[in-house]
Amino acid sequence: KNQVEQSPQSLIILEGKNCTLQCNYTVSPFSNLRWYKQDTGRGPVSLTIMTFSENTKSNGRYTATLDADTKQSSLHITASQLSDSASYICVVSDLDSSYKLIFGSGTRLLVRP
Amino acid sequence: ETGVTQTPRHLVMGMTNKKSLKCEQHLGHNAMYWYKQSAKKPLELMFVYNFKEQTENNSVPSRFSPECPNSSHLFLHLHTLQPEDSALYLCASSQEDRKSNYEQYFGPGTRLTVT
Repeated sequence: KNQVEQSPQSLIILEGKNCTLQCNYTVSPFSNLRWYKQDTGRGPVSLTIMTFSENTKSNGRYTATLDADTKQSSLHITASQLSDSASYICVVSDLDSSYKLIFGSGTRLLVRP
Repeated sequence: ETGVTQTPRHLVMGMTNKKSLKCEQHLGHNAMYWYKQSAKKPLELMFVYNFKEQTENNSVPSRFSPECPNSSHLFLHLHTLQPEDSALYLCASSQEDRKSNYEQYFGPGTRLTVT
C-alpha cells in the first residue's frame, strides 16, 4: 500500500535555530517527492519538488534531501523565523498516476521567540 | 495565492441545508481537484476533473456533488451533510503535462462546520 509517514508529528524550536523534518515513503513506482508548507487556515504552498535523480534541492532557507534507495526524505530549515511556524507536508506521486498525490499527515512546527 | 480562489472561506450549515462551494483558477490549467482535510489526517482526494470531464471519484458519498462547467470553475454542492463532514475543503488546479511536473496549486480552502 502506498504510504507516506512523517516525523515528528509536532516540533517546537526557538527562533534562529535549525531543524530537520523527516519523511519515509513506500510509494512505488516513484515519480517525485514534494514538500509543501501550509499556514494555519490556508492552502498548501509548494516548497520543493525532487525527481528520482535528484539528491538535494534548496529554496532559500529550506533544503530538501532525497534518498531514493532508502525511500527517505528530509527537510532542513536553517535559521528559523517566526513565519516558519506552519505544517510541513511531504507528498509523493507515483508513475502510474500523475495526479494522485499521496500525502503525509504533516509535521506541525512552532517557532518561538 | 490569488491563482486559485475559493468562496466562501468559512461556512456553517445545518444537516438539512443545501450549500455550494466555489473554486476558480486563473492559471490557465486544465485539471481541477477537490480535497478534504480533516484535523491531523492527510489530505484526501475527493474528485478530479480533467478538461471538464470527471476522471476520479474517490468513493465520495453522494451528499457531495461536484460540478465543473468549464476548465476555470469548479463547484462542490453539499446537501444533508453529517457532522463528521466538518473539515477544510481545498481546491487545487494543475496543468496536466510532464513539463509542469503536474504541480498542483491550492486555493486557501473553505472551513466547513456542520451543526
